[in-house]
Amino acid sequence: AQSVTQLDSHVSVSEGTPVLLRCNYSSSYSPSLFWYVQHPNKGLQLLLKYTSAATLVKGINGFEAEFKKSETSFHLTKPSAHMSDAAEYFCVVSDETSYDKVIFGPGTSLSVIP
Amino acid sequence: DGGITQSPKYLFRKEGQNVTLSCEQNLNHDAMYWYRQDPGQGLRLIYYSQIVNDFQKGDIAEGYSVSREKKESFPLTVTSAQKNPTAFYLCASSIVIWSLRGVNNQPQHFGDGTRLSIL
Repeated sequence: AQSVTQLDSHVSVSEGTPVLLRCNYSSSYSPSLFWYVQHPNKGLQLLLKYTSAATLVKGINGFEAEFKKSETSFHLTKPSAHMSDAAEYFCVVSDETSYDKVIFGPGTSLSVIP
Repeated sequence: DGGITQSPKYLFRKEGQNVTLSCEQNLNHDAMYWYRQDPGQGLRLIYYSQIVNDFQKGDIAEGYSVSREKKESFPLTVTSAQKNPTAFYLCASSIVIWSLRGVNNQPQHFGDGTRLSIL
């Protein structure tokens, strides 16, 4: 069975400092992994995806994530936080055993302090 | 511009009343999904459909119903049987890639949601 854990429910950073949002997954087979961002009262927007190509994935708005199979992790990073990055972030996993569904993590709320 | 449109943005339900949330997409996607989001929680799947005239229950289908008569439309009805309907409802769509092993999950595109409250 597949599952996803987001290790921090809330992260707070100062503007201009690095962002690290942690995600660990459980999957029996080769997973597809995604990061989405949600601003208040909005839908989710895809930041980036991993589907068994390069392990370092670059996304929109300067975000990137690295797939580490040995650690079953897919952490999201950004070198320098911007005020507009304040939002909820969801790590999502799907694999070959569950073609018809994806599993969403509980989310990490990112605050950016001016 | 292609996208997903959910309406209304805010909806109120009275006791014993059924209400229907609209979801329309012009992305030509085969698959559509309905999720429920409660404060501080992730998304939970209510129903999904990978093809017209077919849909499947998700993890929390009780008290909800859907139809998929057209590729572009996937309305969700919250029935009176759903005793705790207050939540943020999100509709999504995605392309479907079929292979010998089944369906390949592709990124989902989301609407801006409908917030449902009880009067």
